[in-house]
Amino acid sequence: KNQVEQSPQSLIILEGKNCTLQCNYTVSPFSNLRWYKQDTGRGPVSLTIMTFSENTKSNGRYTATLDADTKQSSLHITASQLSDSASYICVVSADDMRFGAGTRLTVKP
Amino acid sequence: DAGVIQSPRHEVTEMGQEVTLRCKPISGHDYLFWYRQTMMRGLELLIYFNNNVPIDDSGMPEDRFSAKMPNASFSTLKIQPSEPRDSAVYFCASRLGGRQGGGYTFGSGTRLTVV
Repeated sequence: KNQVEQSPQSLIILEGKNCTLQCNYTVSPFSNLRWYKQDTGRGPVSLTIMTFSENTKSNGRYTATLDADTKQSSLHITASQLSDSASYICVVSADDMRFGAGTRLTVKP
Repeated sequence: DAGVIQSPRHEVTEMGQEVTLRCKPISGHDYLFWYRQTMMRGLELLIYFNNNVPIDDSGMPEDRFSAKMPNASFSTLKIQPSEPRDSAVYFCASRLGGRQGGGYTFGSGTRLTVV
């Protein structure tokens, strides 16, 4: 069983709308959690990184939250743009890195 | 810096042939990672190097896979003989410092198709 579960698997929203992606993990011990954006045909690009003590971190229109007690993280995208269409991957680091399967986001005009 | 550079971008080969994927990490980065990505399994760590030395190759699927890092600026991932189930996108990533801290920079990947 994957130790990092992401939901939804895919999501379609209209341009300008907000959305929230979820990441639940069972990885332990926990070192840090990263969200990556992967455009089609490209390598993943880091959006945020959070350690155990951080609850929220923003990067422009992207805001990540972390609840280390419940082992949940979310990535909130505000005022979505067409260029936000990509896969978003949650990565949890402990002794090694554990990847979620990703959420495929499609933003339509 | 041009980032992590991988070549080729696409590779189509016949089953049984040898395939070599190449990676140039970001200058100064002392960790290098090889990942494989498929729709079914997502991103999987195959092997990583620290200061050119292989540290953990437990993710290498089988003996047909081998990786080398002869110097700080170059690494190869070789598959011999290749099989259709090896078809995937192979990513190389590098970072500076310890494995847990800091950010990883990924290359654009090599899309391998074995027919």
